[in-house]
Amino acid sequence: DQQVKQNSPSLSVQEGRISILNCDYTNSMFDYFLWYKKYPAEGPTFLISISSIKDKNEDGRFTVFLNKSAKHLSLHIVPSQPGDSAVYFCAASAFRGSTLGRLYFGRGTQLTVWP
Amino acid sequence: EAQVTQNPRYLITVTGKKLTVTCSQNMNHEYMSWYRQDPGLGLRQIYYSMNVEVTDKGDVPEGYKVSRKEKRNFPLILESPSPNQTSLYFCASALTGVGNEQFFGPGTRLTVL
Repeated sequence: DQQVKQNSPSLSVQEGRISILNCDYTNSMFDYFLWYKKYPAEGPTFLISISSIKDKNEDGRFTVFLNKSAKHLSLHIVPSQPGDSAVYFCAASAFRGSTLGRLYFGRGTQLTVWP
Repeated sequence: EAQVTQNPRYLITVTGKKLTVTCSQNMNHEYMSWYRQDPGLGLRQIYYSMNVEVTDKGDVPEGYKVSRKEKRNFPLILESPSPNQTSLYFCASALTGVGNEQFFGPGTRLTVL
């Protein structure tokens, strides 16, 4: 039973446009959400995070939005660049409870940015 | 350079032959974890450790063992590997297990014949 879902396996965007990657979760105990980027033959690298007390966090071209009532978060990349082409994973964790220390990942979205 | 290292990077073995994948971090992190990545399934947590001598099961612990005798090392042990353990394995570490980003190693591609 997947607690973090990325329903779009792939997304293709033209360079310079906005990329929007979506993520849904089912566990209302999740307090902290992260996005990771993964290139082939490398480990995932941390991109941006947001805690449940906020609804938006920005870091340069990357912005994460959190809608707690809908249990939904999204990653916006503006403007998209060819180097952003990678698999993006959404992940979630809780600050307390029986799942403390666990990190739950979605299945990933392959982003392709074309010139 | 701050990093998580894993060895070996690639391994082909046969069913039933015990193996260990090592993981080491040089960031003095309390928390360490192992994941496996399979096509279409994303990353699934195998085991994690909140601190030295403290380990807990993740989503898919069956067939794996871990130990955390010292802070920097967190080896993954497959006592009797089977073909369904063929996967890409990642070790990760974090300052603590709560509210911190995890830093991942480069991965170990394991094939069990």
